[in-house]
Amino acid sequence: DGGITQSPKYLFRKEGQNVTLSCEQNLNHDAMYWYRQDPGQGLRLIYYSQIVNDFQKGDIAEGYSVSREKKESFPLTVTSAQKNPTAFYLCASSIRRSSNVYGYTFGSGTRLTVV
Amino acid sequence: ELKVEQNPLFLSMQEGKNYTIYCNYSTTSDRLYWYRQDPGKSLESLFVLLSNGAVKQEGRLMASLDTKARLSTLHITAAVHDLSATYFCAVDTDRFNSGGSNYKLTFGKGTLLTVNP
Repeated sequence: DGGITQSPKYLFRKEGQNVTLSCEQNLNHDAMYWYRQDPGQGLRLIYYSQIVNDFQKGDIAEGYSVSREKKESFPLTVTSAQKNPTAFYLCASSIRRSSNVYGYTFGSGTRLTVV
Repeated sequence: ELKVEQNPLFLSMQEGKNYTIYCNYSTTSDRLYWYRQDPGKSLESLFVLLSNGAVKQEGRLMASLDTKARLSTLHITAAVHDLSATYFCAVDTDRFNSGGSNYKLTFGKGTLLTVNP
């Protein structure tokens, strides 16, 4: 079955560490997205990528980095510059859209906690 | 900057009652989505609304879209406990008006719905 796989499901980070969250899709979707969710804040866009080797900052990109070396993969690194990284992180993908092709698929999420 | 506002943010209702969640957005949108999220889980797609006047229904939930008013509603009919969850609306826009190549979703803050017996 096609879908998006995020790993790990739970991740613990020590102060000053960089950690990388994995997101892999086998849907042949062109675009991939990373969202952060905090209680009462909804989902906020961190980074997104429409094609391989290209990505754009979202609304809260500071302290994060991404790469898009393969169509299937869009890993997110939470760097030590991100001062409050404890949150639920969701990855999504979508096919590059024409007027009548649309829709997003979400992964199951990674819960990151600073210890 | 696109803003998406949902209200109410918290909704406690009794089983069997009706209620509506509102979603206002600030700029032209191509599509509007409604999602459901259970605690600790990912998002479940409920509806996608494509055009002005669109109405979709699934069970006790009905969503509508008024693009002129930039307003979508999610109506709950005869609520049951199983509907307890957080509901998000999200607006799909082509950020740079690039002819369909640069879409992203902007979410409201969500409505936490609790249905009490």
